[in-house]
Amino acid sequence: RKEVEQDPGPFNVPEGATVAFNCTYSNSASQSFFWYRQDCRKEPKLLMSVYSSGNEDGRFTAQLNRASQYISLLIRDSKLSDSATYLCVVGRGTYKYIFGTGTRLKVLA
Amino acid sequence: AAGVIQSPRHLIKEKRETATLKCYPIPRHDTVYWYQQGPGQDPQFLISFYEKMQSDKGSIPDRFSAQQFSDYHSELNMSSLELGDSALYFCASSPSGQGGTQYFGPGTRLTVL
Repeated sequence: RKEVEQDPGPFNVPEGATVAFNCTYSNSASQSFFWYRQDCRKEPKLLMSVYSSGNEDGRFTAQLNRASQYISLLIRDSKLSDSATYLCVVGRGTYKYIFGTGTRLKVLA
Repeated sequence: AAGVIQSPRHLIKEKRETATLKCYPIPRHDTVYWYQQGPGQDPQFLISFYEKMQSDKGSIPDRFSAQQFSDYHSELNMSSLELGDSALYFCASSPSGQGGTQYFGPGTRLTVL
């Protein structure tokens, strides 16, 4: 079992839809949490850090549930340009990131 | 804003050859990380350096070694290359004291024939 698990998808949604991804992690010592976005053959790009209180950045909302050890990402009003793979990333200590396998999102016109 | 620079962007090698990948972190970032991403897979952590010292080690094969230099750039040395080493190699950097948020370079695509 992987330390960080995500539903690989793909999630195919129409433009304007709301879509949510979950990610579970198994190591309770995990300290930091992020969502990265990766386009095909490109580097992962930081989408947002995830805080215990939850945080929002425009159409994107991230939540962390430490008790149940999962984080979520909600995307509202999906755009075609949101099509990508969304990587859940968990930090253990300062120097190690553990990546989930990613969830593929395809927004359809 | 300056980003992480990696060179070369593409590299083709034969089996059993050696390869050196270079990474130049964002200015004032003192921590560098190396990741390997195979086709259809998530990035796998290889190794990291903080202030020129190895800070953590992941699934880096013994055939690989890395170091960070006084100007904070890092090099990943890969020897006795195997077909399975073909992958995207990402370098990321972070400033210490900011929760370790990592910023990734564009990657080096290594193909071993």
